[in-house]
Amino acid sequence: DAKTTQPTSMDCAEGRAANLPCNHSTISGNEYVYWYRQIHSQGPQYIIHGLKNNETNEMASLIITEDRKSSTLILPHATLRDTAVYYCIVRVGGSSNTGKLIFGQGTTLQVKP
Amino acid sequence: NAGVTQTPKFQVLKTGQSMTLQCAQDMNHEYMSWYRQDPGMGLRLIHYSVGAGITDQGEVPNGYNVSRSTTEDFPLRLLSAAPSQTSVYFCASSRGTGGTEAFFGQGTRLTVV
Repeated sequence: DAKTTQPTSMDCAEGRAANLPCNHSTISGNEYVYWYRQIHSQGPQYIIHGLKNNETNEMASLIITEDRKSSTLILPHATLRDTAVYYCIVRVGGSSNTGKLIFGQGTTLQVKP
Repeated sequence: NAGVTQTPKFQVLKTGQSMTLQCAQDMNHEYMSWYRQDPGMGLRLIHYSVGAGITDQGEVPNGYNVSRSTTEDFPLRLLSAAPSQTSVYFCASSRGTGGTEAFFGQGTRLTVV
């Protein structure tokens, strides 16, 4: 699975959009980009994933560059409850998926009033 | 729907003792995995399983054993506890091929003295 690089920490004002970048320059064609977050050392929570196209769900949007070497997770209206560590993970999908996730250090997002 | 249940939530062991961390899921997921998280670090994969009777090693398997006799359960055994195994342990499950998100338990906080 390809490795990812994320900033160690970021701040965001409450109510503003939080844009969390991730670099995955060695990503392969069959690898998906996944985002999880961990609040207060609870179990990680799935946010969103994508392969090539941009994706949106009720929690966030995922923007993947055309060359797939980087992506951005967007929380459109950050709240204090979005303060967490956000992990960007790249892993194979489809029939090669084994369910295992390789976590990096993640980005600590602090949402401030 | 309970999801992924880990027991116990907290445990203190003496060096050299053995114990089993329990993990059960009620979603009929094929894939299950164990992670450990040390303070200020991301999660690291210990062992994983793609189905009953099939297990494999992750990033940090030494000192741990697993077995998968049923789809629902994936216990993690510490053979002879060491202070270096003081950590928070998370279990996760996900559907098999084509599955997307992984569901995590709330963790077991283990201290070895």
